[in-house]
Amino acid sequence: QSVLTQPPSASGTPGQRVTISCSGSSSTIGSNYVYWYQQVPGTTPKLLIYRNKQRPSGVPDRFSGSKSGTSASLAISGLRSDDDADYYCAAWDDSLSGFVFGTGTKVTVL
Amino acid sequence: EVQLLESGGGLVQPGGSLRISCAATGFTFSSYAMTWVRQAPGKGLEWVSAIRGGGSKTFYSDSVKGRFTISRDNSKNTVYLQMKGLRAEDTAVYFCAKNDDFWGSQDDALDFWGQGTMVTVS
Repeated sequence: QSVLTQPPSASGTPGQRVTISCSGSSSTIGSNYVYWYQQVPGTTPKLLIYRNKQRPSGVPDRFSGSKSGTSASLAISGLRSDDDADYYCAAWDDSLSGFVFGTGTKVTVL
Repeated sequence: EVQLLESGGGLVQPGGSLRISCAATGFTFSSYAMTWVRQAPGKGLEWVSAIRGGGSKTFYSDSVKGRFTISRDNSKNTVYLQMKGLRAEDTAVYFCAKNDDFWGSQDDALDFWGQGTMVTVS
């Protein structure tokens, strides 16, 4: 049972901006870093954002992360067809002493 | 180039055991924690277990604690997941992932992932 809640879906047309929320608690997002992973259907997950807002090399600056209190967000600007994927947030849970993933958001590029 | 290759998945009966492996190349294996993440068919990602770079500390999700054991052999650049008392709800693709640090804890990102190995409990 995931303790990080995401909207099940989001959509936009090419060029638009889409934002995905991730809601946690004081033991997860409230006291730890947030990570975001992208999974194109049929492929392996890919690290998109680490430590709330940092991008690994090779990830375009169209992707940005933010965190406030017990919630976090991932924004995708200049939406492209290859952004069509599932997106998962993740954070350490102090009460479980382990990571938890969010419920996942399917982004559809219309 | 970092490569992670999982193996050992298959079909097992409820209550049975299975050991899956992940062979790593392209980085100094002992310097990094390793993690197992699973994904049931059509479902989201679920963190399963992690092990510190030296192997001295392990972490488990509540759903597998007491049934699964993570271990590593740094001389073989391989991490293992021994699974016992398997249940239907353990059916999933099991991904091996490299942490971006030694510790395997809250500050770690999973920066490289393998292709996964399918475990079916039926």
